[in-house]
Amino acid sequence: ELKVEQNPLFLSMQEGKNYTIYCNYSTTSDRLYWYRQDPGKSLESLFVLLSNGAVKQEGRLMASLDTKARLSTLHITAAVHDLSATYFCAVDILSPVAGGGADGLTFGKGTHLIIQP
Amino acid sequence: GAGVSQSPRYKVAKRGQDVALRCDPISGHVSLFWYQQALGQGPEFLTYFQNEAQLDKSGLPSDRFFAERPEGSVSTLKIQRTQQEDSAVYLCASSLKPSEAQETQYFGPGTRLLVL
Repeated sequence: ELKVEQNPLFLSMQEGKNYTIYCNYSTTSDRLYWYRQDPGKSLESLFVLLSNGAVKQEGRLMASLDTKARLSTLHITAAVHDLSATYFCAVDILSPVAGGGADGLTFGKGTHLIIQP
Repeated sequence: GAGVSQSPRYKVAKRGQDVALRCDPISGHVSLFWYQQALGQGPEFLTYFQNEAQLDKSGLPSDRFFAERPEGSVSTLKIQRTQQEDSAVYLCASSLKPSEAQETQYFGPGTRLLVL
């Protein structure tokens, strides 16, 4: 059974600081995703990571993937209040049953991030 | 362009009632997924369609849950004889090509179901 663990689950930080969210998963996975969710809203895709050593950056967010350690990180640089949200990592396994496509994502519990002015 | 839409956005049901939740995926998207998100938790996979074929329904919590996508576009998730534990946000997601490496799932706004 594929399990995804995130830590921390709650994080309160000040603007201007740097921090990292960690995502561990239990079995070999084909793709790793980071999503953002604002309160009462749906999920917004941030990154898709495919291969070992992959690194992607968008603004103050940078995601990386270490498939050997089954670990992904989401690094926040010089945080601003607008980044306050819940961040989820999710993994999937490409399935021949699904025509080589994803057969549903397995999500972590999310990291609730509050950035205070 | 238009994203994934879901209706209704909110639904209050009395315990024992049947409910039907609708999902309109992005036009042309082959894959469609349903997830259940409990308060303060991550979404949990329910079922998956590729066009009209339901390829995986392993996440449906009981036989009271039923999903269909008869023409390969709009999908309906039906819950019969609702129970209080069914209260959650039901999210629909779609993606274009199942096997494309950079494929991502685009989520709708969800239907918030409250069973009293």
